[in-house]
Amino acid sequence: AIRMTQSPSSFSASTGDRVTITCRASQGISSYLAWYQQKPGKAPKLLIYAASTLQSGVPSRFSGSGSGTDFTLTISCLQSEDFATYYCQQYYSYPPMYTFGQGTKLEIK
Amino acid sequence: EVQLVQSGAEVKKPGESLKISCKGSGYSFTSYWIGWVRQMPGKGLEWMGIIYPGDSDTRYSPSFQGQVTISADKSISTAYLQWSSLKASDTAMYYCARPLYSSSPPGAFDIWGQGTMVTVSS
Repeated sequence: AIRMTQSPSSFSASTGDRVTITCRASQGISSYLAWYQQKPGKAPKLLIYAASTLQSGVPSRFSGSGSGTDFTLTISCLQSEDFATYYCQQYYSYPPMYTFGQGTKLEIK
Repeated sequence: EVQLVQSGAEVKKPGESLKISCKGSGYSFTSYWIGWVRQMPGKGLEWMGIIYPGDSDTRYSPSFQGQVTISADKSISTAYLQWSSLKASDTAMYYCARPLYSSSPPGAFDIWGQGTMVTVSS
């Protein structure tokens, strides 16, 4: 099974900061990588798919990059509403098999 | 509007059985896979498995194979997640989710249910 490892597990930052979260796959997954945002008590929300494609309605301060095994999610200018937990997910296989990373909790400094 | 609506919260005792549901609307239910995701209290997301309602093709994460059963009734556009004998460790929020594409590969999950909280306690 493909394993996804995110870093850091938690992070403190201030509004206006630029932050980067990384995700590493245990084997190459091309660009079959998504990023989700989850706020307490809410279902996850898709931010980015295909490693770098912004989901409709997601602010342009979010961006994704990478392919193969190493990926990043960048938030260019943190807003108060961005403090949440972020997950990467691979969907490389077919028939579909998915794996989530362990999550990165972004907290206010 | 495309949406997934899940059944309500459940409180069960260890050893009891349970079946929770996820009803799709606003799209062709038989054309998209539906997946299930577990989130234990204070923990991360875990992908459990996925079903294609069109032909009931079902895939499980190795971690959940044999522990749960995923099914679907396409006549009422509803997917199910069931347990035959619950354990306290099954206490969690369970989400259903639909991927972006009806074609292969189905892609990331863009539509999510609101979640069903399952509490197992004696």
